[in-house]
Amino acid sequence: DAGVTQSPTHLIKTRGQQVTLRCSPKSGHDTVSWYQQALGQGPQFIFQYYEEEERQRGNFPDRFSGHQYPNYSSELNVNALLLGDSALYLCASSSRKVGKSQPQHFGDGTRLSIL
Amino acid sequence: DQQVKQNSPSLSVQEGRISILNCDYTNSMFDYFLWYKKYPAEGPTFLISISSIKDKNEDGRFTVFLNKSAKHLSLHIVPSQPGDSAVYFCAASYYTGGFKTIFGAGTRLFVKA
Repeated sequence: DAGVTQSPTHLIKTRGQQVTLRCSPKSGHDTVSWYQQALGQGPQFIFQYYEEEERQRGNFPDRFSGHQYPNYSSELNVNALLLGDSALYLCASSSRKVGKSQPQHFGDGTRLSIL
Repeated sequence: DQQVKQNSPSLSVQEGRISILNCDYTNSMFDYFLWYKKYPAEGPTFLISISSIKDKNEDGRFTVFLNKSAKHLSLHIVPSQPGDSAVYFCAASYYTGGFKTIFGAGTRLFVKA
């Protein structure tokens, strides 16, 4: 039973570039959330996808966008990268069928470094 | 806007003693609270949760207490073990057409042998 998988594990980009991060949810899960974790801070909620639509969004600019595919996998896209976008990006999955009170399962993250 | 606060960046405890990690929140809409544990180079792992209709939940060595009037929750680990050394995140969530989960900044727990 595969857990949440994210790719790549590490990525180095320069300012102004664009990046795409990928996530496959845990088997049986249909909801994917993305978080940004800066050094020394907790994960910050970016957005959540369910049924291929963005359902909730945190306080992040439009440079951050996402997509969910019919197989429930998801992508996080960040345009016009800034130095401040350097962080660990975490993907978490859950199942809406289980009910609203349930924990999310996290992947090990993608470490994004902006030079 | 820190809706979930963990005011202790670190905590050091002797093996076998109790570890108490604290968390405060400000948003009354939160109705589900969770604790996650994180080891270096790994994603957060779910530890224990509590619904807002309860004030206590136990799972083995881990107990979470919720005081809604004070908007405060705590995680008790008894007895503490060296393997418990990790960063602990408090999280709170509510549902408005989709789940929104807010995390605290974390508390690093050191359990000394």
